[in-house]
Amino acid sequence: KQEVTQIPAALSVPEGENLVLNCSFTDSAIYNLQWFRQDPGKGLTSLLLIQSSQREQTSGRLNASLDKSSGRSTLYIAASQPGDSATYLCAVRYPGLSFGAGTTVTVRA
Amino acid sequence: EAGVTQSPTHLIKTRGQQATLRCSPISGHTSVYWYQQALGLGLQFLLWYDEGEERNRGNFPPRFSGRQFPNYSSELNVNALELEDSALYLCASSLESGGTYNEQFFGPGTRLTVL
Repeated sequence: KQEVTQIPAALSVPEGENLVLNCSFTDSAIYNLQWFRQDPGKGLTSLLLIQSSQREQTSGRLNASLDKSSGRSTLYIAASQPGDSATYLCAVRYPGLSFGAGTTVTVRA
Repeated sequence: EAGVTQSPTHLIKTRGQQATLRCSPISGHTSVYWYQQALGLGLQFLLWYDEGEERNRGNFPPRFSGRQFPNYSSELNVNALELEDSALYLCASSLESGGTYNEQFFGPGTRLTVL
């Protein structure tokens, strides 16, 4: 059974600071890994998809790395803004998506 | 381009009844997934349909079932509702091709409340 863990559970940073969100998974036999954000009362917004053969994926201020052998992924958000405040979820394709519990981020203005 | 749509937005049922939830995928997507987000349990994978067939299901009892129609829209049925079925049910779609599993896009969800 796949277990996905996200650390920390919550994070509060001042505006402009870089964010580092961690995700770990127990079974490395994944097809891909996807990062999402969820805003209160809303659905999920896809941020980045990393295929199992890839090591890194970038989109604007977001960069995600994947180390499949060690079961880890990290999401970096550069120069955080108050609009980045949300819950960030990591999910591995296994073959449905197995989700972590999320990291709730607060960016203080 | 329209995203994934779900109906209804909210659904209130009593214990023992049946609930039917609907999902329309993004145009061109052939795979539909269902997830349950219950309080304190996080998001859990329920079902995956592709090209009209059930491809995989999560660890849920058989009273959770569904189908996918020829236009790729999907329906989730929950029979013999129990109080713990109260949750946000999210639908996602993707285009799976050539053995590559692609990005899943989520709808806004249906909030099911069982009284």
